[in-house]
Amino acid sequence: SQQGEEDPQALSIQEGENATMNCSYKTSINNLQWYRQNSGRGLVHLILIRSNEREKHSGRLRVTLDTSKKSSSLLITASRAADTASYFCATDAGYSTLTFGKGTMLLVSP
Amino acid sequence: DARVTQTPRDKVTEMGQEVTMRCQPILGHNTVFWYRQTMMQGLELLAYFRNRAPLDDSGMPKDRFSAEMPDATLATLKIQPSEPRDSAVYFCASGLSGTPSNTGELFFGEGSRLTVL
Repeated sequence: SQQGEEDPQALSIQEGENATMNCSYKTSINNLQWYRQNSGRGLVHLILIRSNEREKHSGRLRVTLDTSKKSSSLLITASRAADTASYFCATDAGYSTLTFGKGTMLLVSP
Repeated sequence: DARVTQTPRDKVTEMGQEVTMRCQPILGHNTVFWYRQTMMQGLELLAYFRNRAPLDDSGMPKDRFSAEMPDATLATLKIQPSEPRDSAVYFCASGLSGTPSNTGELFFGEGSRLTVL
């Protein structure tokens, strides 16, 4: 069963704009991770945020975590056409297994 | 460049046939996962190994699916007999767990796309 649920399911923006994706989950977690999947490829890890962290940055990525609301957001700034992909949040409830949401499909048009 | 290797990349088979998918995890990783991805269900965890021992296969249909790790460099997922509803992309992922260098992230292979006619 899905632990995380991404919102929106699909997002279409222009190059240079920011993209924000949200993730909600149901149970307590140790950490939350975001992954990217290009069409026909495997998932690639982007960033991990631990339950005692509220915000984390990596390059053009900014992730926030609100454990009281059981939600996270991924912000991609100054998007590029190469950012076109599906983005998944995954939660680790402490058993070292990750539960994935169904993803947000991001389309960045030149 | 360390990566998870999966074979075959694509497999088309007929209902009732046996299918075996193979995975070579990244050298030194102690956890291996099998996930199945479909449009309807998203990514589902099928099985999980740590140090080659199966820890969780509750997501796997037991009557037709089996997962093994004969050695540290090979994980297999077998379906016998296959059915059309097994059509999906099967991903293997590896990682480090319970070690000082544990970053918590998983490294995925490129997947095995299975079509059962």
